Amino acid sequence: DAKTTQPPSMDCAEGRAANLPCNHSTISGNEYVYWYRQIHSQGPQYIIHGLKNNETNEMASLIITEDRKSSTLILPHATLRDTAVYYCIVNTGNQFYFGTGTSLTVIP
Amino acid sequence: DTGVSQDPRHKITKRGQNVTFRCDPISEHNRLYWYRQTLGQGPEFLTYFQNEAQLEKSRLLSDRFSAERPKGSFSTLEIQRTEQGDSAMYLCASRRGGSPNEQYFGPGTRLTVT
Repeated sequence: DAKTTQPPSMDCAEGRAANLPCNHSTISGNEYVYWYRQIHSQGPQYIIHGLKNNETNEMASLIITEDRKSSTLILPHATLRDTAVYYCIVNTGNQFYFGTGTSLTVIP
Repeated sequence: DTGVSQDPRHKITKRGQNVTFRCDPISEHNRLYWYRQTLGQGPEFLTYFQNEAQLEKSRLLSDRFSAERPKGSFSTLEIQRTEQGDSAMYLCASRRGGSPNEQYFGPGTRLTVT
């Protein structure tokens, strides 16, 4: 039970912002939204997480809608190394449900 | 490098053999997770430890699978009588207690059962 819906694939031009959407319409009040990415044959890499407020770190920004039913991960200046599968995860307690994620391809 | 290590990185075994994988989490992390990932799918939760106690197991964890974390540090995942359907990437993750707290993943062990 992934609890999230993401588009299966997206393209982004190198140097442009990549905006990856995620729907989590059944999210509960105490559930966080986490984003991970996975480059081929490597373990998933943590990117960012949030509860209600928008968050920013050195890798990305996370925008969560006011009703918390959806969010967007923003990579401000995509590079070729950002090509990966991006997972949006809604988590309470211990288990992470990954789903199938969005395969982002950054195009030169 | 997240600080979580797994050994071996690759394992090829014949059907029916037993295999054991090891995970060394980040030292101050008391929670440890095992996931399995097949081609084209996201990781699927298998089991979770808090210190040495195994607190949660997925229905994916058949009776051929056993996991331990004897001293609350490293963990092992054993698969007995391997089947071709066990071929997958086995991922380990760890985190500190409390919420929220992100999980840090190791590089995984890729198992191929021939």
